[in-house]
Amino acid sequence: DADVTQTPRNRITKTGKRIMLECSQTKGHDRMYWYRQDPGLGLRLIYYSFDVKDINKGEISDGYSVSRQAQAKFSLSLESAIPNQTALYFCATSDLGTGGETQYFGPGTRLLVL
Amino acid sequence: GESVGLHLPTLSVQEGDNSIINCAYSNSASDYFIWYKQESGKGPQFIIDIRSNMDKRQGQRVTVLLNKTVKHLSLQIAATQPGDSAVYFCAENSGGYQKVTFGIGTKLQVIP
Repeated sequence: DADVTQTPRNRITKTGKRIMLECSQTKGHDRMYWYRQDPGLGLRLIYYSFDVKDINKGEISDGYSVSRQAQAKFSLSLESAIPNQTALYFCATSDLGTGGETQYFGPGTRLLVL
Repeated sequence: GESVGLHLPTLSVQEGDNSIINCAYSNSASDYFIWYKQESGKGPQFIIDIRSNMDKRQGQRVTVLLNKTVKHLSLQIAATQPGDSAVYFCAENSGGYQKVTFGIGTKLQVIP
């Protein structure tokens, strides 16, 4: 979905390096999320933010940090990358409507930690 | 190959046949359910949703069935096409400030 963009799309880094993955959205949604996806495990929530002043840990936040710079921007940082953080990372946004909560995903960032 | 899809349950269907993808959810308090489709190299995309006060909802070529008694959700795709090949996830949500919980996913392979 072009309304949610992620940069970079692919990244190779070395163990111990600090890296940042960025997410921007033009949907005007308050809620933003970071997930990682690993084979056979589905999507697992790292961090989420319900507005600019709200940051919450997900089920696998260790080794990660986030920054919500604006309603439209939510960045994920790996302070000191390790090989088991090799995964596909997705940013998502949502807007709680009358029906529930549908999330809109970015195209993903493929990260390889050597 | 694409890492998404390895080790996932796989359903192989002949082109033109109907597909049924199943999902068991865990939280009896969940009242909103969503099916997502994830094509190779892309993020998940919304397909169809259903609230717990409904048993069935139809979209274009897709139908979602909800059985709250056994906490089971299914996605039916009519006249499956090669473009339907993807990984399909179910998700459950209990609304408010609860996070969405995703299933592991099923890989659908359409045989031409």
